[in-house]
Amino acid sequence: QQPVQSPQAVILREGEDAVINCSSSKALYSVHWYRQKHGEAPIFLMILLKGGEQKGHDKISASFNEKKQQSSLYLTASQLSYSGTYFCGTEIRTGANNLFFGTGTRLTVIP
Amino acid sequence: KAGVTQTPRYLIKTRGQQVTLSCSPISGHRSVSWYQQTPGQGLQFLFEYFSETQRNKGNFPGRFSGRQFSNSRSEMNVSTLELGDSALYLCASSFTQGAGANVLTFGAGSRLTVL
Repeated sequence: QQPVQSPQAVILREGEDAVINCSSSKALYSVHWYRQKHGEAPIFLMILLKGGEQKGHDKISASFNEKKQQSSLYLTASQLSYSGTYFCGTEIRTGANNLFFGTGTRLTVIP
Repeated sequence: KAGVTQTPRYLIKTRGQQVTLSCSPISGHRSVSWYQQTPGQGLQFLFEYFSETQRNKGNFPGRFSGRQFSNSRSEMNVSTLELGDSALYLCASSFTQGAGANVLTFGAGSRLTVL
């Protein structure tokens, strides 16, 4: 039930854009996005709910294609602080609280 | 508002021993989830507790167990440790286990090394 993330790693220069994808073989209720910096706890970025509701960070956007069970995270005009590993977590039923996370996408932003 | 607190932060054990990890959730959060993080595998779901009841369980052997107390604090135990159990164990709490997607707040983790 683990979702598949792509790419596994990406290197950007400041100001460039990136897209991180997440896909699942299961019908999804929601998709969560978290970012983890080295040696730190993952922090919440965004939730996308079935039906289109989106809750999250003002500076990051995402989409959720319910028919394809896919989500994409869009990072625009990247900053050095965007560096870290991004994880998508998928929820297959409401309130389950057992998110299945992908293996992560390591994003490195260089000056 | 204090965050999720995990203890100990680091520990070293030898094969065959057992270990107990502790997690104190954010005040008012009743759901506690545990994850194992290893390089290349990402975050693997272990189990989730709500109001002292295990509500969800991942695909881990019975050597991995947990419990939740009436104050929502949670412990997880790993018995008969194996080298492959070396990992960062993350605890996450959330406000409700009801309808709607719940945001997880993670602790800094307990890094277990098995020699």
